[in-house]
Amino acid sequence: NAGVTQTPKFRILKIGQSMTLQCTQDMNHNYMYWYRQDPGMGLKLIYYSVGAGITDKGEVPNGYNVSRSTTEDFPLRLELAAPSQTSVYFCASSDPHTAETQYFGPGTRLLVL
Amino acid sequence: AQSVTQLGSHVSVSEGALVLLRCNYSSSVPPYLFWYVQYPNQGLQLLLKYTSAATLVKGINGFEAEFKKSETSFHLTKPSAHMSDAAEYFCAVSDDNNDMRFGAGTRLTVKP
Repeated sequence: NAGVTQTPKFRILKIGQSMTLQCTQDMNHNYMYWYRQDPGMGLKLIYYSVGAGITDKGEVPNGYNVSRSTTEDFPLRLELAAPSQTSVYFCASSDPHTAETQYFGPGTRLLVL
Repeated sequence: AQSVTQLGSHVSVSEGALVLLRCNYSSSVPPYLFWYVQYPNQGLQLLLKYTSAATLVKGINGFEAEFKKSETSFHLTKPSAHMSDAAEYFCAVSDDNNDMRFGAGTRLTVKP
C-alpha cells in the first residue's frame, strides 16, 4: 500500500489564484481529513469527511472547499489564494473502526505571494 | 472542546540521556491521546496512542507514555536518547467525533 499520497509537494501561488491540492489513499478508509500546519501552531483541522458525499467543516475552514466523490480521493480547493494561506497542508485518513488513529500523507508546502 | 498543551517548544538532551516531553490535556469526556513524530519535510507518524486500556502505553522506537488522569497529563519518555530521535513531536487529543486537536509541538534536539 502506498498509504496516503499528496500532490503537489510544493507550489507557489500568486494572490487571487486558485488551485486544488490532491489527496488519495489506498487503504479503503472512510474517514479523511485536511489539516494545515503553521510554525509553532501545531496542526489545525480544515475539513473532514466520514464517507463519499459527506464533508464537514473543521476548525479553520474559511477560504477552502472540499469534495468527496470517491472513497479514495479528498481534494482541497483554494479559490482565491491569500498570503494567510501560506502553510504546509497535510491530508490524513482513518478507518471508522479505529477512527482515533489517523494516517498522514507527506504534505504539500504552499507559498502564496 | 478538548485541547492539549505541550510544555516547552524546544527540548535539548545529550545522547544517552532521558527524554521527557510534556503534554497536558483538557477534555470533558474520556479522551483518546496520541503522540506523533515528524521528521524534517515529512508527514506525521504515529508513535503511540492511549484509548482507555492500559495507562502505560508503549510505542515505537522505545518511546512510552503514561496517562495520568489526576494530573491530566500524557508525558512522553524514552530512557536513552539516540541521535535519530531528533525530530518534532506532537501531542494530540481526540474525542468520539474524530475532532483531533494538536499541541503546538516540541522540537527535540539530541547532542552527541
